[in-house]
Amino acid sequence: GENVEQHPSTLSVQEGDSAVIKCTYSDSASNYFPWYKQELGKGPQLIIDIRSNVGEKKDQRIAVTLNKTAKHFSLHITETQPEDSAVYFCAARGLGGFKTIFGAGTRLFVKA
Amino acid sequence: GAGVSQTPSNKVTEKGKYVELRCDPISGHTALYWYRQSLGQGPEFLIYFQGTGAADDSGLPNDRFFAVRPEGSVSTLKIQRTERGDSAVYLCASSLYATTSYNEQFFGPGTRLTVL
Repeated sequence: GENVEQHPSTLSVQEGDSAVIKCTYSDSASNYFPWYKQELGKGPQLIIDIRSNVGEKKDQRIAVTLNKTAKHFSLHITETQPEDSAVYFCAARGLGGFKTIFGAGTRLFVKA
Repeated sequence: GAGVSQTPSNKVTEKGKYVELRCDPISGHTALYWYRQSLGQGPEFLIYFQGTGAADDSGLPNDRFFAVRPEGSVSTLKIQRTERGDSAVYLCASSLYATTSYNEQFFGPGTRLTVL
């Protein structure tokens, strides 16, 4: 079945450093890859997304890359701040348009 | 606020009891989704509504789980004969449409269900 694997499960960085989270997906029909940030007691919130016809997208301190051939996609956060500390989820969605498959999450700690 | 709301925020029940979890989507959103998030895991798809009808319920784990959306707005997730393994956070999301993969899904804060 459809599967999204996410690494690492935990990531600790010093404030100002960069953080990278990597994901792979199994369903070659997936064409949309959102990234979510989840803070304690809240639902996931979309922070950036990328479509399958694009290789890279950037929004201020965050960027995503997609390698369709390898079925890999990554999140890059630069100049990390303590408020970036949260759980981050990668996800994939296919042509059906509604069913989102999530990775298991990465808990990011940014130390001041 | 104009976001997705879910009630109750917390629900504690005993094994074997029946529970109902409510979701109020963003006004005007035609698509509604339920997910289940176990501790330390990502959300897992349960069911999707387009309007009043369940377009895909393939994620419901068994026939103890049922969801309705009678007027195409508010939805209720119903769990019969609850088991300890049902303990999780149940998330609801809505999107304006679901006609393409790119429709943004907006999540509510979830209902934390604990079955004792």
